[in-house]
Amino acid sequence: KQEVTQIPAALSVPEGENLVLNCSFTDSAIYNLQWFRQDPGKGLTSLLLIQSSQREQTSGRLNASLDKSSGRSTLYIAASQPGDSATYLCAVPWNTGFQKLVFGTGTRLLVSP
Amino acid sequence: DTAVSQTPKYLVTQMGNDKSIKCEQNLGHDTMYWYKQDSKKFLKIMFSYNNKELIINETVPNRFSPKSPDKAHLNLHINSLELGDSAVYFCASSQDRITYNEQFFGPGTRLTVL
Repeated sequence: KQEVTQIPAALSVPEGENLVLNCSFTDSAIYNLQWFRQDPGKGLTSLLLIQSSQREQTSGRLNASLDKSSGRSTLYIAASQPGDSATYLCAVPWNTGFQKLVFGTGTRLLVSP
Repeated sequence: DTAVSQTPKYLVTQMGNDKSIKCEQNLGHDTMYWYKQDSKKFLKIMFSYNNKELIINETVPNRFSPKSPDKAHLNLHINSLELGDSAVYFCASSQDRITYNEQFFGPGTRLTVL
């Protein structure tokens, strides 16, 4: 059974800081890993998708890394801004051959001005 | 221009009622999903359809019945609503059923059962 855990559960930082969010998964036989952002009362926005053959994926100030062998992914946010405040979720497809995403528990980020 | 849309956004109803949530995607995707986010914000898959065919059916009470009239629509009908059904329900879609494709989510429907 695939289990996904995210640490920390909550994070509060001042604007401008660089920060790292962690995601770990128990079954390393994954096809990809997806990072999402969820704003309060809103849906999920896909941030980055890392294929199993990749080690990194970048989009603007976001950089996600994937280490399948250790069952870990990190999301690095550079020069954080108040607009980055949201809950960040990672998700992996469970190895059933279908896209059955298993979600992490989320990290709630607050960036203060 | 909304990629994945859901209606309604909010749904408040009494226990025992029957309700439906609609989902539509204009991305040309073949596969659609329903997820449930509970009060602790944990997201879990409920169903998945590929080209109108049910391919994933988690251990969901049979009071929940998804229906896909065509591959752009996946509706969720819930009979005899219970207090524990209160949650946010998200619809999503992906290009096809294989595990290499990104999933795109709708804005969610917040269901409150009184």
